[in-house]
Amino acid sequence: DAGVIQSPRHEVTEMGQEVTLRCKPISGHNSLFWYRQTMMRGLELLIYFNNNVPIDDSGMPEDRFSAKMPNASFSTLKIQPSEPRDSAVYFCASSLGGEGRGYTFGSGTRLTVV
Amino acid sequence: DAKTTQPPSMDCAEGRAANLPCNHSTISGNEYVYWYRQIHSQGPQYIIHGLKNNETNEMASLIITEDRKSSTLILPHATLRDTAVYYCIVRVDRDKIIFGKGTRLHILP
Repeated sequence: DAGVIQSPRHEVTEMGQEVTLRCKPISGHNSLFWYRQTMMRGLELLIYFNNNVPIDDSGMPEDRFSAKMPNASFSTLKIQPSEPRDSAVYFCASSLGGEGRGYTFGSGTRLTVV
Repeated sequence: DAKTTQPPSMDCAEGRAANLPCNHSTISGNEYVYWYRQIHSQGPQYIIHGLKNNETNEMASLIITEDRKSSTLILPHATLRDTAVYYCIVRVDRDKIIFGKGTRLHILP
């Protein structure tokens, strides 16, 4: 099992550009989560999906952020337009769902917006 | 929602048992206690979880008090690789985990 795979590992972009982060969950997992981590705010849950359907996007900071899960094996988090304050490490996690189930996290994407 | 309280940091000598406390006095009867850790620059890693009984796996032991208002994560023989931030989490929803600030554990050689 390759675990949760995120790409790219590092992304440097200019302010105003569109950024797309990608995530491949563990095969068979039916829940997928996007988190953002900064020194100031720690780990924040942005959005999560269950069976490819967005369940809670209350953590998405603003309309510039959007997430999709077109199928069970792929999800994207898009920022358009990007701003320097979006600089953070973005983690994707997946789970089999239900109580008593742990999450498996990817290695994260370190985004720097200059 | 049940909240957790953890000390911001702890030290432990290498080879000793590391005991990390967590208070969750408002936990409800059907909520689990989860522990994760995050080693520098990596994604969080699931360690263990429990509901009422004590639990043990290859990584750690989890001791939950009888009233369930607090718990302790035990790393029986801490090594330098156990240096990390440890998060105690009470599951507030069927499918959502919210992370707090955690405890930064320093293993001293």
